[in-house]
Amino acid sequence: GAVVSQHPSRVICKSGTSVKIECRSLDFQATTMFWYRQFPKQSLMLMATSNEGSKATYEQGVEKDKFLINHASLTLSTLTVTSAHPEDSSFYICSASGYREDEQFFGPGTRLTVL
Amino acid sequence: AQSVAQPEDQVNVAEGNPLTVKCTYSVSGNPYLFWYVQYPNRGLQFLLKYITGDNLVKGSYGFEAEFNKSQTSFHLKKPSALVSDSALYFCAVRPYGQNFVFGPGTRLSVLP
Repeated sequence: GAVVSQHPSRVICKSGTSVKIECRSLDFQATTMFWYRQFPKQSLMLMATSNEGSKATYEQGVEKDKFLINHASLTLSTLTVTSAHPEDSSFYICSASGYREDEQFFGPGTRLTVL
Repeated sequence: AQSVAQPEDQVNVAEGNPLTVKCTYSVSGNPYLFWYVQYPNRGLQFLLKYITGDNLVKGSYGFEAEFNKSQTSFHLKKPSALVSDSALYFCAVRPYGQNFVFGPGTRLSVLP
């Protein structure tokens, strides 16, 4: 199956700093990428959907100025958590889909801890 | 509103016994249905999906799922559980043209 990578896998930062997480589709062109957030023992919550070359579509309640998403190419999307605070600590998972409606491939996730 | 329910937070089963993880959904139209598995600190791994056709879908690692349209259910099953199957399982639906909707997850523990 298709492979999606995320970098870094784990990051610890101080409150007030910004953190960038990369999501790459390694062997296919991802027309759409999704960013999810997962709290401990909870399901995935969709944060935003991004299509290559256009602005991301954010879910209700997600601050677009805090969670900056850039989908610059068909293989790379980035999520930047700006001015991170401890409540932003979470597991962030990206996924990518190609031209098939029914396929979505998930990255391994990034654990963000804000001190 | 679109929703996916997994009525059991936790399922415990003895190794070698059959397992079932339940999923029901409430969405409009005929959605695509999926099961994913998540191991600690890892992303989701695809197990199987139902798009159309035979109601019994076979997937990875010996798992299968049965689509029941009248009951709007898509229960995950395996005839003989392994300790290594212990993980978090998510049911998901994707209404046509819309984003995935995930269930809350069910933690499966297979006891040796």
